[in-house]
Parts: sequence; structure tokens; C-alpha cells
Amino acid sequence: KAGVTQTPRYLIKTRGQQVTLSCSPISGHRSVSWYQQTPGQGLQFLFEYFSETQRNKGNFPGRFSGRQFSNSRSEMNVSTLELGDSALYLCASRRTATLAGAGGEQFFGPGTRLTVL
Amino acid sequence: DQQVKQNSPSLSVQEGRISILNCDYTNSMFDYFLWYKKYPAEGPTFLISISSIKDKNEDGRFTVFLNKSAKHLSLHIVPSQPGDSAVYFCAASFTSGTYKYIFGTGTRLKVLA
Repeated sequence: KAGVTQTPRYLIKTRGQQVTLSCSPISGHRSVSWYQQTPGQGLQFLFEYFSETQRNKGNFPGRFSGRQFSNSRSEMNVSTLELGDSALYLCASRRTATLAGAGGEQFFGPGTRLTVL
Repeated sequence: DQQVKQNSPSLSVQEGRISILNCDYTNSMFDYFLWYKKYPAEGPTFLISISSIKDKNEDGRFTVFLNKSAKHLSLHIVPSQPGDSAVYFCAASFTSGTYKYIFGTGTRLKVLA
């Protein structure tokens, strides 16, 4: 069974540009979550989608947005990039709607390393 | 406000000895906790979880202990192996409503051969 895939793996952008990152969850997983990882900050939750609906959003500015398609693939978009957006962006998928119990654990992709110059 | 804290950014342990990684949380309503391991250039991988109705959960060399009164959980790895060298993240969540995990900042474990 293929794991969570993220494209691209590496990206270099300049301030003010926008970027779109893609995530393909494990087959059969309907929940996709996005996280930002920066040194010293751990994994910060961005948003979670289940069956094309955003169910929760983290404490990030409106420049960060996302969506999920009917095949559960998800994209996140960052507009008007800032230097502080440089980070590893991780996508995770989960089979069930809830967090706990069988099927509730998240499986992460390898991440997209975004560098903003 | 960091609701989940890992106060030790790094830890070194000799191969064969016990590794103990600690995690503190501030919200007493958290009812589900997990540990993830992360190697460089890879996404985190799920290790072990524990529900707040338990105080211990074991899986092979890994045991997680939960002390609800102290709002503290720990991961014990016995015996430690060089392949365990990685960054370990603890995470907490509510099993209903928010659909998200809140992660700590991670502890880098180095197991010395």
C-alpha cells in the first residue's frame, strides 16, 4: 500500500510569491491534515479536511488556505510569501473521522521543504 | 501558548540502557496522547498511543506512562538501540470535536554505540 505522497519535495520561492503544495493520502483515507514544522516550534497544526470539508483550522493568517478534492487529495496554498514561511510542510492522512482508536492514527508524508528568499 | 511541552531538546543514552523522554501538557481536557518518531528527510511515524483512561501502554521496547494528576507523560525505550536515534514528538488531542493533534517541540535522542 503506497504511503502519503507530497509534491514537490523541495521548493524555493521569493517573498511576495504564492505557492501550492500537494498531498495524496493513503488510499481509503478521507482525512488530511497539514502541519508546519520549524526549528524550535515543533509541528504547528494548519488545518484538517475530511470528505472535502475543513473541520478545523490552526492559528495561521488567512494567507494560508487549503482544499480537498473528491478523491481525498489535498492542496494547500500560501499567498504573499514571507521569509518566516520557510519551513517543512507536512501532510498526514487518517482513515477514520475520529482521532482515537483503531484507524485514528495519522500517517505522515515526507514533507515539502519550502525556502523563501 | 505551548500547550504541549518537551523541555529537553536533546538526550544522549548508551546503547542497551533505558531512554526516557518526557512531555508535559497544560490542558487537563486532553484525553488522548501519542508519540511519533522522526528521522531526517522523512515524515514522523507513529510509535505508540495512550488514552487518558489508562496510565500505561506497552508495545515491545516502547512503554508510555501517563500521570494525569501531574499532566505528564513519558516514553521509555528499553533497551535503546542506535536505530532509535531520531527526534521524538509527543502529541495530545481531544477525542471529540477538534480533530487535531497538538505537538510538542520534539526531543532529539542520540543512542551511542
